[in-house]
Amino acid sequence: AQSVTQLGSHVSVSEGALVLLRCNYSSSVPPYLFWYVQYPNQGLQLLLKYTTGATLVKGINGFEAEFKKSETSFHLTKPSAHMSDAAEYFCAVSVGEYGNKLVFGAGTILRVKS
Amino acid sequence: NAGVMQNPRHLVRRRGQEARLRCSPMKGHSHVYWYRQLPEEGLKFMVYLQKENIIDESGMPKERFSAEFPKEGPSILRIQQVVRGDSAAYFCASSPQAVLITYNEQFFGPGTRLTVL
Repeated sequence: AQSVTQLGSHVSVSEGALVLLRCNYSSSVPPYLFWYVQYPNQGLQLLLKYTTGATLVKGINGFEAEFKKSETSFHLTKPSAHMSDAAEYFCAVSVGEYGNKLVFGAGTILRVKS
Repeated sequence: NAGVMQNPRHLVRRRGQEARLRCSPMKGHSHVYWYRQLPEEGLKFMVYLQKENIIDESGMPKERFSAEFPKEGPSILRIQQVVRGDSAAYFCASSPQAVLITYNEQFFGPGTRLTVL
C-alpha cells in the first residue's frame, strides 16, 4: 500500500534561512506527488505537483521540490524563509485507479522566527 | 470564480444526533472527494463521487456514514448517531476530471469542523 512519511512534525527556521521539509513515499507504481500548504482554519492549497517529466518542480511562493526515485523522496525547499510561510505543510501521493485518492503524510508545522 | 464551498464551517452536535455536511464544488467540476482530518493527523480519504455515483468509498467507515452527490445541488456527507470520535475537520475537494486523466489537481474547500459533545 502507498504511504507517505514526513520527517519532523515541527520545523523551526529563522527568517531568511533555508527551508527544508522532508517527504518520503512508498509506491508500487510511478507516483504522482504533491505538496499542499494549510493555513490555520483554512483549506489546503496546492504548492506544487510532480506527475512526469522534469524531476525538479517549481511551485508557488518560491517553493520547489525534487523527485528522487532512487531515494523515494520528494523534499520541499525554499531558499529564504518568510514570515508568511509559517503554516502546516502536507506531502501527498495519489493512488487509486484514476488517482482519485490522495494519501497524505501527517504534516509538518513550519515556524519562522524573526 | 468561487472556490469549493463548504457549510457549515463549524458544527456542534451532541452524541446520538445527525450531522450533515455540505459541499459545493467549483463551477465546472463534476468530481468530489471527502477527507477527514483528525486532531494531530493528516487528511484521510473517505469517498470519491461523481454526479449521482459513488466511485470509491473505500475510506468510509462501514456504519453511520454515507455520502451523496445528486444531479442537482451540493454533495452531502451524512453522519448518523455521532460519537465523540467523529469530532474532526471534514474537507471536501473537487476536480474537473479524474486526477490521472488530465493531471488535474484537487481543489480543497475550507472544511467543516465538527465537534461532538
